Amino acid sequence: GESVGLHLPTLSVQEGDNSIINCAYSNSASDYFIWYKQESGKGPQFIIDIRSNMDKRQGQRVTVLLNKTVKHLSLQIAATQPGDSAVYFCAEGDSGGGADGLTFGKGTHLIIQP
Amino acid sequence: EAGVTQSPTHLIKTRGQQATLRCSPISGHTSVYWYQQALGLGLQFLLWYDEGEERNRGNFPPRFSGRQFPNYSSELNVNALELEDSALYLCASRTRGVYGYTFGSGTRLTVV
Repeated sequence: GESVGLHLPTLSVQEGDNSIINCAYSNSASDYFIWYKQESGKGPQFIIDIRSNMDKRQGQRVTVLLNKTVKHLSLQIAATQPGDSAVYFCAEGDSGGGADGLTFGKGTHLIIQP
Repeated sequence: EAGVTQSPTHLIKTRGQQATLRCSPISGHTSVYWYQQALGLGLQFLLWYDEGEERNRGNFPPRFSGRQFPNYSSELNVNALELEDSALYLCASRTRGVYGYTFGSGTRLTVV
């Protein structure tokens, strides 16, 4: 099946700076996108989602941007903190729950420099 | 509210043996998804169960199988274990009308 990929496997940022994690998707039929955060030894934790009828959605310190024209998704984390260190996955799917479930990218490891 | 629980946390098996992994979804969630997370390969979709039935499976051989019980808990069985089956196996659940999944902490399967 089609896959969701990430541009960078590792992203290192200074504490307090903003982080931007990018994701490219290839299935134009996907209408639902999610970002998950996975800390070491834990399962992925839901951060924020967005549907294809939107191009931006904001949460607490996080913003997801969706560009359907170029099939690109990004996660912006404001004022990055040490607790933000984790692997971040984007995932795509269809809003019906999907025959294939969610398709996940390989993940970006976000490293926070003190 | 209890989250998605998986057991055991760690499992070590010998090549050729069978492994059984268990998952209890969040109360009220009827769909259970299984994913394999091998090192460097991200999350690979394995199986989807809903209302007690297998709805779809990913690109895995038939020795990966499972079931969902009347209480919506689920079991993943891996027969004839191979070294490359070593991975973190994640279970996720969701309920109708909510599109995001809630994941458990996973079972770390090591095949030696």
